[in-house]
Amino acid sequence: KNEVEQSPQNLTAQEGEFITINCSYSVGISALHWLQQHPGGGIVSLFMLSSGKKKHGRLIATINIQEKHSSLHITASHPRDSAVYICAVIDAGGTSYGKLTFGQGTILTVHP
Amino acid sequence: EPEVTQTPSHQVTQMGQEVILRCVPISNHLYFYWYRQILGQKVEFLVSFYNNEISEKSEIFDDQFSVERPDGSNFTLKIRSTKLEDSAMYFCASRRRVRDTDTQYFGPGTRLTVL
Repeated sequence: KNEVEQSPQNLTAQEGEFITINCSYSVGISALHWLQQHPGGGIVSLFMLSSGKKKHGRLIATINIQEKHSSLHITASHPRDSAVYICAVIDAGGTSYGKLTFGQGTILTVHP
Repeated sequence: EPEVTQTPSHQVTQMGQEVILRCVPISNHLYFYWYRQILGQKVEFLVSFYNNEISEKSEIFDDQFSVERPDGSNFTLKIRSTKLEDSAMYFCASRRRVRDTDTQYFGPGTRLTVL
């Protein structure tokens, strides 16, 4: 069973700061999602990656498969980035049918 | 842009009652999922569904739970006799194919409150 851990659990930043959220997992994966959950509860997929790095606007996600670690970076943070950021993984092997195992989430608050 | 929809957004029920949570996945998607999130806890996998049958289920998904795709568009989660501990946010998700590059798309969730 994959154990997914995120750090930090809570993060407070000032607008404009560079933010990093970390995710580690215990068992090999085929892919990793970074998700965003807003106060209303809805979940949006930000990235899905299985190697290297992806960038979308001010968001950058990296993954190191050998070290079983991924990071989500937000450049020039803004109060609208305030949300819960969740890491979720799909185990390696062909039998998981895409089932996601989730981390506990990182609560990000960005102050103006 | 296509999206996953869920109804109702909030369901309040008495303990022991049956509830059905409804989802309409994205139309060309083939894989469907239910997840739940108890307040303050991690999101947990309940069940995955492909080709009109359950492909995987968690230990949470016991005999009180069932899923169905009755008409080719809706995907439902039924809880036969609700317990207090079933109170949670339930998310439906769908995915086109099971490949590394295929993203899961989540619905907005149904908040279930069992009294």
